[in-house]
Amino acid sequence: GESVGLHLPTLSVQEGDNSIINCAYSNSASDYFIWYKQESGKGPQFIIDIRSNMDKRQGQRVTVLLNKTVKHLSLQIAATQPGDSAVYFCAEKAENYGQNFVFGPGTRLSVLP
Amino acid sequence: ETGVTQTPRHLVMGMTNKKSLKCEQHLGHNAMYWYKQSAKKPLELMFVYNFKEQTENNSVPSRFSPECPNSSHLFLHLHTLQPEDSALYLCASSQEELGKTSGVRAEYTQYFGPGTRLTVL
Repeated sequence: GESVGLHLPTLSVQEGDNSIINCAYSNSASDYFIWYKQESGKGPQFIIDIRSNMDKRQGQRVTVLLNKTVKHLSLQIAATQPGDSAVYFCAEKAENYGQNFVFGPGTRLSVLP
Repeated sequence: ETGVTQTPRHLVMGMTNKKSLKCEQHLGHNAMYWYKQSAKKPLELMFVYNFKEQTENNSVPSRFSPECPNSSHLFLHLHTLQPEDSALYLCASSQEELGKTSGVRAEYTQYFGPGTRLTVL
């Protein structure tokens, strides 16, 4: 798998465009998923979550889509703004993980003026 | 602000030093966590405390020693660290189920503090 830092996937979008950040998860038993945003110098910040009994959930300017068939999660950000520039992580949780979340490596979103 | 605070925000220490990281959560949660975030790896869970009891230790070296005196405070004691231990150490808290009959809703979402940037020389 990919790692953060030098090998962190990067997505560059124009301000005002929509962004789509993808995440593949590994455990078919995972039943709860979270997207976090981490800005430079800060800890991860909760954005939106979704449970496995749903396919889609919307928040303010953000939408999470869950495709359990292919174990894929996506985060859509509408009308991307400069303040959206950050690293975005997905996290999955399953009953057999206990309280452990498994975090993805993250995607760096850069918003171009 | 997430309701989770960490001090210090930055720490530089030598390999022979002893230092402690502090975390405090103001959310009334019953579980707290230490994570390590380094430049080349995803977030790694180190320790989990439920109701002040350590329930998980993910093969963390003994030079890291956690302490949870109450459900609101969590410490990470550091002793004879190595340069490869340099990383961002994140604390998180969550509300876990107390029991099926408790009626307390588990949120599962972990709320993170800002982290302590640790540099070991």
